[in-house]
Amino acid sequence: AQSVAQPEDQVNVAEGNPLTVKCTYSVSGNPYLFWYVQYPNRGLQFLLKYITGDNLVKGSYGFEAEFNKSQTSFHLKKPSALVSDSALYFCAVGYNNNDMRFGAGTRLTVKP
Amino acid sequence: DAGVIQSPRHEVTEMGQEVTLRCKPISGHNSLFWYRQTMMRGLELLIYFNNNVPIDDSGMPEDRFSAKMPNASFSTLKIQPSEPRDSAVYFCASSWTSGSGIYEQYFGPGTRLTVT
Repeated sequence: AQSVAQPEDQVNVAEGNPLTVKCTYSVSGNPYLFWYVQYPNRGLQFLLKYITGDNLVKGSYGFEAEFNKSQTSFHLKKPSALVSDSALYFCAVGYNNNDMRFGAGTRLTVKP
Repeated sequence: DAGVIQSPRHEVTEMGQEVTLRCKPISGHNSLFWYRQTMMRGLELLIYFNNNVPIDDSGMPEDRFSAKMPNASFSTLKIQPSEPRDSAVYFCASSWTSGSGIYEQYFGPGTRLTVT
């Protein structure tokens, strides 16, 4: 069975510093990989996705993610964090719509 | 586009009562999803519709839960009778699906359900 793991419940960074939110998955083949962000009292918002091609994917709000097939990872990154980036981040993995698996989420806090 | 619309935004009801949650997907999207989010269990897929047809309802907790999509612009999730353990935030999401590809989902603001 496929699964997705976000090993850190919480990530704290200082504003202006680079941030990384980790995601690893255990599936066979070539799944689709997504990152979503959830702000308080809001639904999830799409940030970026990887299907095939360049391992570095650029998305909304300056975020990017690096696909690493050998390590089965899809870590979310941003070169310089903003306080407004503080939110809950979800990684999702799947082959089709009814087998998408969301991670448990990582709460990112960016301190001024 | 107004995005995915859900109503009500908050619902407080007593155990045993019927609850109906409503969703209007983004126009042109042909896939609709109902999710439940709790602190303990995270985000769970309840049911997935494609072209108004239920494709996978294996995530529906039990027979008390039912979902319908009578047309491309409206879906309901019903709980009857409701129980305190149903308290959660329920999200509706929609996306475009073509062939074997999957696309990003657009989530509504959610309905926060409290069953007392």
